[in-house]
Amino acid sequence: EAGVVQSPRYKIIEKKQPVAFWCNPISGHNTLYWYLQNLGQGPELLIRYENEEAVDDSQLPKDRFSAERLKGVDSTLKIQPAELGDSAVYLCASSLSQGGSYNEQFFGPGTRLTVL
Amino acid sequence: AQSVTQLDSQVPVFEEAPVELRCNYSSSVSVYLFWYVQYPNQGLQLLLKYLSGSTLVKGINGFEAEFNKSQTSFHLRKPSVHISDTAEYFCAVSDPDSWGKFQFGAGTQVVVTP
Repeated sequence: EAGVVQSPRYKIIEKKQPVAFWCNPISGHNTLYWYLQNLGQGPELLIRYENEEAVDDSQLPKDRFSAERLKGVDSTLKIQPAELGDSAVYLCASSLSQGGSYNEQFFGPGTRLTVL
Repeated sequence: AQSVTQLDSQVPVFEEAPVELRCNYSSSVSVYLFWYVQYPNQGLQLLLKYLSGSTLVKGINGFEAEFNKSQTSFHLRKPSVHISDTAEYFCAVSDPDSWGKFQFGAGTQVVVTP
């Protein structure tokens, strides 16, 4: 079974440029998460989707970040314009959530963004 | 809101020696607790979890953790480490009433040397 797929794995851009990250969750997983991981820190949740609905985007900086989950499967996270402080690893995770009970989150390898 | 403190940012350890990684969380109410491992350039992988029941939890790769409610701790241990255990380890907590919302610690880098 394929895991969570993310692309690109690495991205280098200049500040003020736009950038987009793509995530393909594990087949059948209805919940998708985007996390931000700064160097030397744990992941921080940016947004959580249940199917195509964003149910928790309270930590997403909406002035420059946006996300979408088309048809409740793949998801794209965009930054426009990027700032130096956005340099980090962006992790995607997915889980199969049923009836409010816990289900394991499976993480992708992440996209390492460097803003110059 | 929950918070997680990992008391050691880096733990050097010799191969075949035991290791303990410390984790404390802020809340005394019911929580779900997790340990994840992250190898270089890879995503996080679940090592073990505590949801309820026995306070001693066994996970993959010979790791185990003990939930201590009175001390709000969830320390991770392995009796004998291998070189391949060199990685970053993250403790995480989730409120059962808002499942799926994790709070991660800052991580502990374990470096195993021969």
